[in-house]
Amino acid sequence: QPQLQESGPGLVKPSETLSLTCTISGGSISSRNYYWGWIRQPPGKGLEWIANVYYSGSTFYNPSLKSRVTISVDTSKNQFYLMLNSVTASDTAVYYCARQRASDGLDIWGQGTMVTVS
Amino acid sequence: DIQMTQSPSTLSASVGDRVTITCRASQSISSWLAWYQQKPGKAPKLLIYRASRLESGVPSRFSGSGSGTEFTLTIGSLQPDDFATYYCQQYNSYSPTLTFGGGTKVEF
Repeated sequence: QPQLQESGPGLVKPSETLSLTCTISGGSISSRNYYWGWIRQPPGKGLEWIANVYYSGSTFYNPSLKSRVTISVDTSKNQFYLMLNSVTASDTAVYYCARQRASDGLDIWGQGTMVTVS
Repeated sequence: DIQMTQSPSTLSASVGDRVTITCRASQSISSWLAWYQQKPGKAPKLLIYRASRLESGVPSRFSGSGSGTEFTLTIGSLQPDDFATYYCQQYNSYSPTLTFGGGTKVEF
């Protein structure tokens, strides 16, 4: 069973860019059956999907965040990435990376990383 | 954009109760719906996919039903480990965009 691990700064200044990495171990990001995505959860609130990427580089974004978000993949490193620019305090959240199994839902999640904008 | 509405937002129950959570989509999503369980400080866990298919390793007391715009998650006999927050999530089969419901907290 693959494992996902998020990494990146825990503190980002307002107006700057949040950058996170998700590293996949025990499996390949190049599998044709999966998308790879980012989801966030502000403290005490619900889940918000941010974006998905396919190993080929195809990307899909939440329309409400699309203007500020870039998701990308590096198959040679078995990693995918999130960049969120012009952050504000409302971007403070736990950020999860996850694997989406075709049309079957998000079946593997990272443990999450807390990012504070301050 | 498709909106997902869960009800209730909070549910008080006891061990052994049969619990039902409802999720409504703003437009038809066929059966492209998943259910997750989340405990405090933990990542969500996939319970049900394609509205009614039980994820491997998930106890059979969990079941899902529905299609189109109305879906339900049922816990047949609530166990102590089931006190958690539950989320529905739709996925668009034509382009993999996702939307979560607002969540239902099942508490004692």
